Amino acid sequence: DVKVTQSSRYLVKRTGEKVFLECVQDMDHENMFWYRQDPGLGLRLIYFSYDVKMKEKGDIPEGYSVSREKKERFSLILESASTNQTSMYLCASSLGRQGDGYTFGSGTRLTVV
Amino acid sequence: LAKTTQPISMDSYEGQEVNITCSHNNIATNDYITWYQQFPSQGPRFIIQGYKTKVTNEVASLFIPADRKSSTLSLPRVSLSDTAVYYCLVGDIPRGGGNKLTFGTGTQLKVEL
Repeated sequence: DVKVTQSSRYLVKRTGEKVFLECVQDMDHENMFWYRQDPGLGLRLIYFSYDVKMKEKGDIPEGYSVSREKKERFSLILESASTNQTSMYLCASSLGRQGDGYTFGSGTRLTVV
Repeated sequence: LAKTTQPISMDSYEGQEVNITCSHNNIATNDYITWYQQFPSQGPRFIIQGYKTKVTNEVASLFIPADRKSSTLSLPRVSLSDTAVYYCLVGDIPRGGGNKLTFGTGTQLKVEL
């Protein structure tokens, strides 16, 4: 089974801090994604990557950046954390781009105080 | 953008068949329809995908009418463990940007004894 591992389950950071959320997948998937999930809003795509060093904006990229230096690793960066970035962050990987076969990590619950 | 509309919540009892319908009036010719299941504190998990007519696997069936403007996820004989949020996805994420794959807010299914 493909495994997607997110580095932290819970994280508390202060406003203005630079935050790194790490995600690693072990099945050689080309595509990787970062979503955030908020009550009443469902899952919203922040960024995705279909190849090493490639990145594309999703629906809500503002305030975030990403890095994909190796195929298995996709990092989400909050350059200057703000309280409205308090959320559940979910990383996923997939072979295809038609929405099938996404494997998600368990999520990182980030609280910005 | 193929926006999806699902009921916010549904209730059922163990042993019953549950049908969750998703509307996607703006579905494009190349779009597939995919359903995911999410338990609390976990990432979504792939259930089933289809393009047209009917698809069945070991856990669910997916019914898609000829016009493809809606789809119905059918869960046979649900149990308490099927209590979860179910998401309908339509579209893809093309290279070059522009997210066309959205999760929406999902349907909270509650199964009781």
